[in-house]
Amino acid sequence: EAGVTQFPSHSVIEKGQTVTLRCDPISGHDNLYWYRRVMGKEIKFLLHFVKESKQDESGMPNNRFLAERTGGTYSTLKVQPAELEDSGVYFCASSQDRVQAFFGQGTRLTVV
Amino acid sequence: DQQVKQNSPSLSVQEGRISILNCDYTNSMFDYFLWYKKYPAEGPTFLISISSIKDKNEDGRFTVFLNKSAKHLSLHIVPSQPGDSAVYFCAGHGSGNTGKLIFGQGTTLQVKP
Repeated sequence: EAGVTQFPSHSVIEKGQTVTLRCDPISGHDNLYWYRRVMGKEIKFLLHFVKESKQDESGMPNNRFLAERTGGTYSTLKVQPAELEDSGVYFCASSQDRVQAFFGQGTRLTVV
Repeated sequence: DQQVKQNSPSLSVQEGRISILNCDYTNSMFDYFLWYKKYPAEGPTFLISISSIKDKNEDGRFTVFLNKSAKHLSLHIVPSQPGDSAVYFCAGHGSGNTGKLIFGQGTTLQVKP
């Protein structure tokens, strides 16, 4: 069974540009989460989808971040326009039971 | 306000000895606690969990202890192996519908051969 996959694994963009991260959850997992780890600190929650609906987006930093999960399958996280402080590793996770989450390998975003 | 804290950024132990990783929390509403292990360039992988109504859970070489009165949990690895070298994250799972995890900063464990 395929795990959670994220694309791209690395992205380097200039300040002001747009970047879109993609996450494919484990098949059949209704719950999809986005997290971010900045500068080796704790992994912080961004938002939670149940199927295609946003259940909790309390961790989204600001309105430059837009997450979608059309059709309840894969999800995208767009940052527009990107700022220097958006640099970090973005993790996607999925779960069926809302307790044990399975994480992808992450996308390392560098804004220069 | 950091609800989950891992105050030791790093820990070094000898192969075969016990590794003890500590975690403190402030939120009494967590219903589960989970430990994740992370290797470089990989995502966190689930290691072991404990319900807030338990005080101990064991899985092979890994045991998690929960002290609710002290709001403290610890992960014991016995015996430690070089392959255990990784970053370990403690996380609290909020009760309710969201299922979001609140992570600590992580502790880097190095097991020396």
